[in-house]
Amino acid sequence: NAGVTQTPKFQVLKTGQSMTLQCAQDMNHNSMYWYRQDPGMGLRLIYYSASEGTTDKGEVPNGYNVSRLNKREFSLRLESAAPSQTSVYFCASRTIPVGIVNTQYFGPGTRLTVL
Amino acid sequence: GQQLNQSPQSMFIQEGEDVSMNCTSSSIFNTWLWYKQDPGEGPVLLIALYKAGELTSNGRLTAQFGITRKDSFLNISASIPSDVGIYFCAGENNAGNMLTFGGGTRLMVKP
Repeated sequence: NAGVTQTPKFQVLKTGQSMTLQCAQDMNHNSMYWYRQDPGMGLRLIYYSASEGTTDKGEVPNGYNVSRLNKREFSLRLESAAPSQTSVYFCASRTIPVGIVNTQYFGPGTRLTVL
Repeated sequence: GQQLNQSPQSMFIQEGEDVSMNCTSSSIFNTWLWYKQDPGEGPVLLIALYKAGELTSNGRLTAQFGITRKDSFLNISASIPSDVGIYFCAGENNAGNMLTFGGGTRLMVKP
């Protein structure tokens, strides 16, 4: 049981290049999330998917697109990377709560630098 | 958007000391969560709080959900070197589908 996995771990892009960050979870969770983490600002939600086939914008969606490919996979795409998108990106997943137990499980992160 | 103010931003303490950090919000949350992030890793949940006034412990960690539902604190007793990391508070919205994170408290422990 690997939990939440993310690829790649590191990436350097030039301004204007595109790329897709991949995320997969093997916990049969319904909800999946993409966050970015910048120094001193905590994690900010980019997009989330409450269930397969649905996606919704979070706090900072501009410049990103997402795809919920199936229940396991949720990808984040940068169509034209900008230096302001230099950040650490975290994917998370969460099951529908049973009782009061309800938490998000995070992947190890992707460190992206845009030159 | 909603703001969570977490303080202090960083702490450098001696091993064995107790630690206290807190989080305040301009909005009400139904759930408060405390996460720890080790270098190069994603955040890991430490404690979840579901009711105003609730006080919950997890080993040397104790957290409380403020009675106004706009604040929470986390205490760590008898700190050890492996407590080093960044601690985040997070509030969950009413629908239970979004978390808002504080800016984090970076804890450094001197052996």
